[in-house]
Amino acid sequence: SAVISQKPSRDICQRGTSLTIQCQVDSQVTMMFWYRQQPGQSLTLIATANQGSEATYESGFVIDKFPISRPNLTFSTLTVSNMSPEDSSIYLCSVLGLAGGHEQFFGPGTRLTVL
Amino acid sequence: GIQVEQSPPDLILQEGANSTLRCNFSDSVNNLQWFHQNPWGQLINLFYIPSGTKQNGRLSATTVATERYSLLYISSSQTTDSGVYFCAAPRGGYGNKLVFGAGTILRVKS
Repeated sequence: SAVISQKPSRDICQRGTSLTIQCQVDSQVTMMFWYRQQPGQSLTLIATANQGSEATYESGFVIDKFPISRPNLTFSTLTVSNMSPEDSSIYLCSVLGLAGGHEQFFGPGTRLTVL
Repeated sequence: GIQVEQSPPDLILQEGANSTLRCNFSDSVNNLQWFHQNPWGQLINLFYIPSGTKQNGRLSATTVATERYSLLYISSSQTTDSGVYFCAAPRGGYGNKLVFGAGTILRVKS
């Protein structure tokens, strides 16, 4: 089965700084997504990462805060900009289209703590 | 958009016991997934089950699409089953943008 990796796996950052999270899949996929899981909460979709074009953001999320890139069919990045303690969460990428299927599979997540 | 509700919110089991977790959704769906989030945060796919019944070892799931609910059965529970179980369905019932339920926290005691 395909492997989805994320870097970094965890980080502790100072407020006001930015962090870029990478998501790499070892095979081509049709769609990639980014989710946020705040402490003790469920997952919320941030955006759809579109290959070669601007990401599609969900209500409550904006490009200036969460810029996303997807240069090819196997890689995407999410940047959390100008961080505050409220951004402390687990950030997960997911992919769709592995082996032509309809299931979404998730990366291991990036656990972010903002001080 | 679609509402996804899970019950119970948390559950404590003795090792070896069986359990049933429920997921209700407010719209017709073409996609329904169950996940297990282990204590390290990893989200593990359990079932892709928009309708019908599937089994995988000690776990099985049934989705009754016409009545808008899905059930996850765990038999002979083990301590490694502990974690949070999520169901997720697409916003609007169709497509790929998943809406997650609040989850069921399962603790299996030895």
